[in-house]
Amino acid sequence: DVKVTQSSRYLVKRTGEKVFLECVQDMDHENMFWYRQDPGLGLRLIYFSYDVKMKEKGDIPEGYSVSREKKERFSLILESASTNQTSMYLCASSFFDSSGGRGHNQPQHFGDGTRLSIL
Amino acid sequence: QKEVEQDPGPLSVPEGAIVSLNCTYSNSAFQYFMWYRQYSRKGPELLMYTYSSGNKEDGRFTAQVDKSSKYISLFIRDSQPSDSATYLCAMRQSGYSTLTFGKGTMLLVSP
Repeated sequence: DVKVTQSSRYLVKRTGEKVFLECVQDMDHENMFWYRQDPGLGLRLIYFSYDVKMKEKGDIPEGYSVSREKKERFSLILESASTNQTSMYLCASSFFDSSGGRGHNQPQHFGDGTRLSIL
Repeated sequence: QKEVEQDPGPLSVPEGAIVSLNCTYSNSAFQYFMWYRQYSRKGPELLMYTYSSGNKEDGRFTAQVDKSSKYISLFIRDSQPSDSATYLCAMRQSGYSTLTFGKGTMLLVSP
């Protein structure tokens, strides 16, 4: 079974703090993703990575950065936390199947989320 | 027009009912379709994964894709209170790793 582990289930921080959210997957997946989920807005992609040290902006990257120094770990960084970043943050990973020549991205598997409150 | 439309519900049914959950989409390039189930305070869990048009069955769950109508469905037979959750549809284009999600439908199954 795929296991995506997010370091904290609940986190409370103050405005202006630098916040680190950590995500680890144990299935040697190439792709990793960070989303935020808000009522009425659904899941929105912040950043994703398809390889170590590689990163791509998603739909809402402003105010966030990411780090992927090791294949299994993908960190989300809130450079200077603001109250509008209070949200549920979800990490996901997926396998890139390169067998058969062309390659194929398998479905994403999610962690249980970090509920972040910025006061 | 939003890329993926999904009725937010809540959809309330009695135990044992057949449930139909649906999504419509506008991008004809979507080729891969997924349904996720999300319980309260948990992450989404993959339920069904299909490619292109057709049906796929897994136990009480059937996923249906009609690409000509840009319409996908998830049917749940003999619904149980444990099926009460939010159901998210998701889809992606070939060659892409990123998904486009619907906003989810909340399902409530009463005993």
